[in-house]
Amino acid sequence: DTAVSQTPKYLVTQMGNDKSIKCEQNLGHDTMYWYKQDSKKFLKIMFSYNNKELIINETVPNRFSPKSPDKAHLNLHINSLELGDSAVYFCASSRTGYNQPQHFGDGTRLSIL
Amino acid sequence: AQSVAQPEDQVNVAEGNPLTVKCTYSVSGNPYLFWYVQYPNRGLQFLLKYITGDNLVKGSYGFEAEFNKSQTSFHLKKPSALVSDSALYFCAVRDGSNTGKLIFGQGTTLQVKP
Repeated sequence: DTAVSQTPKYLVTQMGNDKSIKCEQNLGHDTMYWYKQDSKKFLKIMFSYNNKELIINETVPNRFSPKSPDKAHLNLHINSLELGDSAVYFCASSRTGYNQPQHFGDGTRLSIL
Repeated sequence: AQSVAQPEDQVNVAEGNPLTVKCTYSVSGNPYLFWYVQYPNRGLQFLLKYITGDNLVKGSYGFEAEFNKSQTSFHLKKPSALVSDSALYFCAVRDGSNTGKLIFGQGTTLQVKP
């Protein structure tokens, strides 16, 4: 039933490791996003895909690599995790169009030890 | 550059009283404005949007927002607050680029006391 689902919900790992977060939406949307929310709750766009094509690529370290195998999925792989990567990562989706609201998943809480 | 500001970190109101959460924006061209709410350990939920038309926009859960072009504001309002409205509220604006990415304000925590 969940519209935008992310796995895992919690991710605790050590510095230097590589990890992936998966996102799936069943809303039939053609645009998907990754956001990072820091400890002060500030929310910033990282990436966006439209019909599997990368359309937003903010100033993000190249250790972060998104991948969209199809319109319903957008994964985020992070190499060589650093302490500063600790945050909540949100996936979202929407229909194409400036007036379209985005639907968010419940987030993946990443903690780096 | 496009930006959005929420001048209050926290707003406190008593249950049953009206509430206002403030938002001002700076954008070139016509603004596309949104309000979202975030409950603890949850993702953001869409409340309402202004694209064009009436300056008073009605949304979910009894919320509404007033668009004021001359003051470049888009304040969120509710006539009678509920304790369950306590949450983190974000104002957002689409930037003017061809990607139309959302730029979020820093968020305002609404605390409704019984």
